[in-house]
Amino acid sequence: GENVEQHPSTLSVQEGDSAVIKCTYSDSASNYFPWYKQELGKRPQLIIDIRSNVGEKKDQRIAVTLNKTAKHFSLHITETQPEDSAVYFCAASLGGYQKVTFGTGTKLQVIP
Amino acid sequence: SAVISQKPSRDICQRGTSLTIQCQVDSQVTMMFWYRQQPGQSLTLIATANQGSEATYESGFVIDKFPISRPNLTFSTLTVSNMSPEDSSIYLCSVEENSRRSEQYFGPGTRLTVT
Repeated sequence: GENVEQHPSTLSVQEGDSAVIKCTYSDSASNYFPWYKQELGKRPQLIIDIRSNVGEKKDQRIAVTLNKTAKHFSLHITETQPEDSAVYFCAASLGGYQKVTFGTGTKLQVIP
Repeated sequence: SAVISQKPSRDICQRGTSLTIQCQVDSQVTMMFWYRQQPGQSLTLIATANQGSEATYESGFVIDKFPISRPNLTFSTLTVSNMSPEDSSIYLCSVEENSRRSEQYFGPGTRLTVT
């Protein structure tokens, strides 16, 4: 089955700096890669996703990149703000009603 | 996206008892999923629930321990049976909307403590 590895497990950045979280996956058939943000005590929230026919996707201060050859994908947050502090999970799926396999999570702390 | 609710939001139960968690969606969805999230950990899929068919369980999870019902396209239940302290966790349902293929959205979760 699919295995998703995520690094780093914790990340501290100064407010205004950029943050990068990296993930690798094992199943070359995976074609959908969502990212979730989970604030303390809250449900995971889908913040951005990328499909295998796209190499990069941006939404305001967040962007995701995908390298299917290397089976790597990354989340980039620019101009970080304290409200970006949360645990971020990457995930991989075959898409279309299929199971989603989650990474181990990255705890991001943005220091004001 | 769909509005998803879960009941109860939290419960404290004694070992050996069972708890049924409900998940309600405000629109019809083909697929619902049940996850477990232990404190400080990632999300682990328990089973996939497709309306009109038996749930599909992941390795390490069995129907006798986690029976699931999916009576219609807006509702599902997960029962945690014969509980032990190791079952203390947050249980979340998620849905994949028919109009947003692949995207999964989570309910607020049920925090279960077994004493």
